[in-house]
Amino acid sequence: KAGVTQTPRYLIKTRGQQVTLSCSPISGHRSVSWYQQTPGQGLQFLFEYFSETQRNKGNFPGRFSGRQFSNSRSEMNVSTLELGDSALYLCASSLFLGSPAINEQFFGPGTRLTVL
Amino acid sequence: AQSVTQLDSQVPVFEEAPVELRCNYSSSVSVYLFWYVQYPNQGLQLLLKYLSGSTLVKGINGFEAEFNKSQTSFHLRKPSVHISDTAEYFCAVSDREGGGNKLTFGTGTQLKVEL
Repeated sequence: KAGVTQTPRYLIKTRGQQVTLSCSPISGHRSVSWYQQTPGQGLQFLFEYFSETQRNKGNFPGRFSGRQFSNSRSEMNVSTLELGDSALYLCASSLFLGSPAINEQFFGPGTRLTVL
Repeated sequence: AQSVTQLDSQVPVFEEAPVELRCNYSSSVSVYLFWYVQYPNQGLQLLLKYLSGSTLVKGINGFEAEFNKSQTSFHLRKPSVHISDTAEYFCAVSDREGGGNKLTFGTGTQLKVEL
């Protein structure tokens, strides 16, 4: 089975622009979560989607949004980019068979976003 | 709210020596516990997890961890490390009650294995 894929792998934007990142989960996985990884703040949960519905949300401003499509693929969008948004954005997918924690989350390689 | 503390930001160790990476957590509810490894320019890979039952958990690549409820710790150990174990290791917790797949991570420990 192919793993979690994220596109693009690298992205350079300037302040004020917006960006859309894409995540394709492992075939059959219905839950997709997004995390931001920075040297200063570490790994922080952004949000989780399951069956096209947001199930959980982290403490990020409204500039960060996401969605999930019927084929479980997910996108996240960041509007009005700030320098502090420079980070590695990781996507993780899981089967989600009922008890969340027994479903292993498989992580993609991430999209490295640089905001200039 | 939950939090995870990884006491050591860097741990240097010689090849074939044992290693312990420390993790303490704080939570007002029962949690599940995880250790992930991240190699350069890659995503995270699950090493092991504690859900319930035996407090000694064995994972991949010869790693194991022990859950200690009284000390709220979940330290990761390996009896003999290899150069290929050089990577960053993250401890994480998930709320048993909250539902979903939200993980709260520690700040990571960089394990550097030297010859």
